[in-house]
Amino acid sequence: DGGITQSPKYLFRKEGQNVTLSCEQNLNHDAMYWYRQDPGQGLRLIYYSQIVNDFQKGDIAEGYSVSREKKESFPLTVTSAQKNPTAFYLCASSLAGGNEQFFGPGTRLTVL
Amino acid sequence: AQKVTQAQTEISVVEKEDVTLDCVYETRDTTYYLFWYKQPPSGELVFLIRRNSFDEQNEISGRYSWNFQKSTSSFNFTITASQVVDSAVYFCALSEDTTDSWGKLQFGAGTQVVVTP
Repeated sequence: DGGITQSPKYLFRKEGQNVTLSCEQNLNHDAMYWYRQDPGQGLRLIYYSQIVNDFQKGDIAEGYSVSREKKESFPLTVTSAQKNPTAFYLCASSLAGGNEQFFGPGTRLTVL
Repeated sequence: AQKVTQAQTEISVVEKEDVTLDCVYETRDTTYYLFWYKQPPSGELVFLIRRNSFDEQNEISGRYSWNFQKSTSSFNFTITASQVVDSAVYFCALSEDTTDSWGKLQFGAGTQVVVTP
């Protein structure tokens, strides 16, 4: 089945620790995205990548880092510099800009 | 400045009633794309529709219909004869066709729809 997978579904982290969220797609999409969702709010863009080995900051990139070494994979690292990391993180992909984005099931990160 | 406004935070209806979700957007671009997504309690966003700025035809898909009006910068969504399975948060989103905005979706805050039996 084609789609986007994110792991883990739930993640708990102690303050001061870095953590990496996985996102894999087998849709052969060039573009991939990371969003953050806080309770009762819409999605905010963290980072996006239009092509392998290239990525750009979104609206709230501070405290996060990404890599795009393979077309299928776009992992997100939440660093200790992110002051309020507890949130729901969604990964998405699309053929190109302007096309519909397809989303993964999300990872719920809680900082203890 | 918020580019996508969904003024309705929550709408509650009884099953079989119609429900209309409002979406007002703001852009200076002549080429842009509008989207609606559904987020059920599981959390995953489900794509519903994409509309480009040059296509103002209304669209119907089963019980769903969309009304795009450029004159009022609105892209409203109606669910006809609502069902309990329609209970979810619905997001409207805008993508502008510029180099800086390439591929970036700007989401509204979402509208929670609650359908009771």
